[in-house]
Amino acid sequence: DVKVTQSSRYLVKRTGEKVFLECVQDMDHENMFWYRQDPGLGLRLIYFSYDVKMKEKGDIPEGYSVSREKKERFSLILESASTNQTSMYLCASIGPGRNEQYFGPGTRLTVT
Amino acid sequence: AQSVTQLDSQVPVFEEAPVELRCNYSSSVSVYLFWYVQYPNQGLQLLLKYLSGSTLVKGINGFEAEFNKSQTSFHLRKPSVHISDTAEYFCAVSESFQKLVFGTGTRLLVSP
Repeated sequence: DVKVTQSSRYLVKRTGEKVFLECVQDMDHENMFWYRQDPGLGLRLIYFSYDVKMKEKGDIPEGYSVSREKKERFSLILESASTNQTSMYLCASIGPGRNEQYFGPGTRLTVT
Repeated sequence: AQSVTQLDSQVPVFEEAPVELRCNYSSSVSVYLFWYVQYPNQGLQLLLKYLSGSTLVKGINGFEAEFNKSQTSFHLRKPSVHISDTAEYFCAVSESFQKLVFGTGTRLLVSP
């Protein structure tokens, strides 16, 4: 079974803090994704990575950056958290020749 | 560009009644279509997918969906719902499996 884990289920941070959200997958998948989920907006792609040290912007990259130093780990970074980044963040991965993205349980981030 | 429309933000239904969750998409090329389910405080789980072939797709938990190319729709159905089907359902479209575009979600509320 594919397992995608996220470092925290709930996180509360203050405005201006640097925030790291970690995602790890155990299936040697090349491609990994970060989405944010907001009520009434569904899931929107922030960034994705198709290999170590490779990244591409998704639909809403502003205010975020990512890091992929190892194949199994994909980190989302909020350089200076703001209240409008309060959201649910979901990580996903997909392997070569596969047709289904596997999702982690999500991190609910609150920025106060 | 692709887009997905889920017109119903919320669908209330009684237990054992049938349900249909609507999904329409737009794309200039052939696409793959997915339905994901999100139970409270969890990540997304794949319900079913249309890749090619038969337009009627069966998924887990008794759900099925029909791909209609002329109407650009991929509606999700279940003949008899259970309380445990209460969740949020997301339709998604993709030209490749690497990038999904999600709808805004439909919350299914099953009451006794």
